[in-house]
Amino acid sequence: DTAVSQTPKYLVTQMGNDKSIKCEQNLGHDTMYWYKQDSKKFLKIMFSYNNKELIINETVPNRFSPKSPDKAHLNLHINSLELGDSAVYFCASSQDQRGGYGYTFGSGTRLTVV
Amino acid sequence: GESVGLHLPTLSVQEGDNSIINCAYSNSASDYFIWYKQESGKGPQFIIDIRSNMDKRQGQRVTVLLNKTVKHLSLQIAATQPGDSAVYFCAVLGPSGNTPLVFGKGTRLSVIA
Repeated sequence: DTAVSQTPKYLVTQMGNDKSIKCEQNLGHDTMYWYKQDSKKFLKIMFSYNNKELIINETVPNRFSPKSPDKAHLNLHINSLELGDSAVYFCASSQDQRGGYGYTFGSGTRLTVV
Repeated sequence: GESVGLHLPTLSVQEGDNSIINCAYSNSASDYFIWYKQESGKGPQFIIDIRSNMDKRQGQRVTVLLNKTVKHLSLQIAATQPGDSAVYFCAVLGPSGNTPLVFGKGTRLSVIA
């Protein structure tokens, strides 16, 4: 059983399109995250939700909108895609908001904007 | 805020040798530290963690050392194997409940057979 699963694994789309990435965790964790990994492998937090409530919203263009319908799901919708949005996006979850037992990551969604 | 640096971006070691990957952090109040391994096409995978009340923790073939005085931690891999080839990240958690895990820039470990 996959603990944190993301779909799709690959996403190729044209500039200006709108796309969504979905994430689900079956660990019973309360907190979920979106991280962006750039071409130099740097991982940067984008958003965090705790039990469906937004708790972290880093400096991210408002074209990015996360949604958490329940604590097991955290989706990421991106409007008006730009070339610079190309990256690998990782979903993660942690037992609680503190995160003091580590984060479990999904396998990533590679987004390519052409 | 927290910033995390890494001393070496790439590291090549002979199979069977020991590997040491270093990491520096900036916030002296950080209290939880994790090493992650990321293989090509996969997400970061938890290897070992350490809390600020400890200075050493051992796992299977891996050891993490924490030096709070100089805000430095290291990952030691014993008898490095080809399967250890990956990018390794240190990640640091600050004391606040709203502070997310902050990742270092990563070290690419290449094992030479």
